[in-house]
Amino acid sequence: EADIYQTPRYLVIGTGKKITLECSQTMGHDKMYWYQQDPGMELHLIHYSYGVNSTEKGDLSSESTVSRIRTEHFPLTLESARPSHTSQYLCASRKTSSETQYFGPGTRLLVL
Amino acid sequence: GQQLNQSPQSMFIQEGEDVSMNCTSSSIFNTWLWYKQDPGEGPVLLIALYKAGELTSNGRLTAQFGITRKDSFLNISASIPSDVGIYFCAGQPFQGAQKLVFGQGTRLTINP
Repeated sequence: EADIYQTPRYLVIGTGKKITLECSQTMGHDKMYWYQQDPGMELHLIHYSYGVNSTEKGDLSSESTVSRIRTEHFPLTLESARPSHTSQYLCASRKTSSETQYFGPGTRLLVL
Repeated sequence: GQQLNQSPQSMFIQEGEDVSMNCTSSSIFNTWLWYKQDPGEGPVLLIALYKAGELTSNGRLTAQFGITRKDSFLNISASIPSDVGIYFCAGQPFQGAQKLVFGQGTRLTINP
């Protein structure tokens, strides 16, 4: 059973607001990932991290930013939300010695 | 970059029927993973495959790592209503790759 948490689960916010989506894992995993997924569609990698103080951009360009100050915490920030950011955001993590990524429950974001 | 072609895109079946879906690629993969995603949730790992030719079961689910390393299939026997969801394949392109490649998903609908 994976112990990876995301908050909030649902967020409705107005255009121009700054938001931070939280992701935490208690498994001590070094590698963490953020994916963007429209309902029922494929997953797009937007950010990942090898470990503390390491962040990389993913395959899909995103206006969001991430930070990794602690192993267990990998927050994603949107400085100015827009309706085009409406989507589901999934966080995942894995240990270095395994290929298997474990996913959090996701945050569904609606920007009005 | 490497791509995975997952088929079928959607399936509509009767409860009790068997289900088969697959992922193919023009490139070889080192590891294959199969996930299931319920609406509004994150993907959950079903089966992981690590060696060409490997056949692994998890209850009514069976998955195989193709002998050419370019494909994998997932079978579900005697489907039940809780099997409804979207199934994703994912592959690790090479040993040590930091990112997974995901298929587009197969949406399974079951008529009771």
